Amino acid sequence: AQTVTQSQPEMSVQEAETVTLSCTYDTSESDYYLFWYKQPPSRQMILVIRQEAYKQQNATENRFSVNFQKAAKSFSLKISDSQLGDAAMYFCAYRSGYGGATNKLIFGTGTLLAVQP
Amino acid sequence: DTAVSQTPKYLVTQMGNDKSIKCEQNLGHDTMYWYKQDSKKFLKIMFSYNNKELIINETVPNRFSPKSPDKAHLNLHINSLELGDSAVYFCASSERPGQQYEQYFGPGTRLTVT
Repeated sequence: AQTVTQSQPEMSVQEAETVTLSCTYDTSESDYYLFWYKQPPSRQMILVIRQEAYKQQNATENRFSVNFQKAAKSFSLKISDSQLGDAAMYFCAYRSGYGGATNKLIFGTGTLLAVQP
Repeated sequence: DTAVSQTPKYLVTQMGNDKSIKCEQNLGHDTMYWYKQDSKKFLKIMFSYNNKELIINETVPNRFSPKSPDKAHLNLHINSLELGDSAVYFCASSERPGQQYEQYFGPGTRLTVT
């Protein structure tokens, strides 16, 4: 079974600084997708970024980028130029690439990010 | 326009009661999901329907019964509510069950069982 581990329950960053959130996963599958979701206090789940396992290039979305190390099964999220609105719980998630009954998101336990002004 | 909506947003009820949470998506998606987020913020899949057919059924007590009257709606009915059912329940949808399709989440329903 696939698992996702986030070893940092809480992180803090100064406004305008850069922070990296860690995520590791375990799978025997070769086809899968990885995601970072943001959950602000409003509790809405917001997709931040996604990475296809077959792509070697790291995904980027504006200030958000990932460091995808497939052999190490590591998928960290880097937030540059942190803003107050980035304060939220961040979840790393895995989804199998085989569809059907495996088409579910498997989440890590989350990292609560605080942004200090 | 709300893409995935849930009603109610908050639900407070007593142990032993039966309650339903409704979910609707206006995205034209074929696949819908229910996730549960417990008090420690851990999120886990419960069910998934594709075009009204159940395709994922995790080890959920049979007090929980999903119903999909059409592909735009997926409701969650819970019988004989227990304290441990207190959680936030999220509905989500995706275009199809395939891996390349993003899942869009609703705003969540906070269920409190007293």
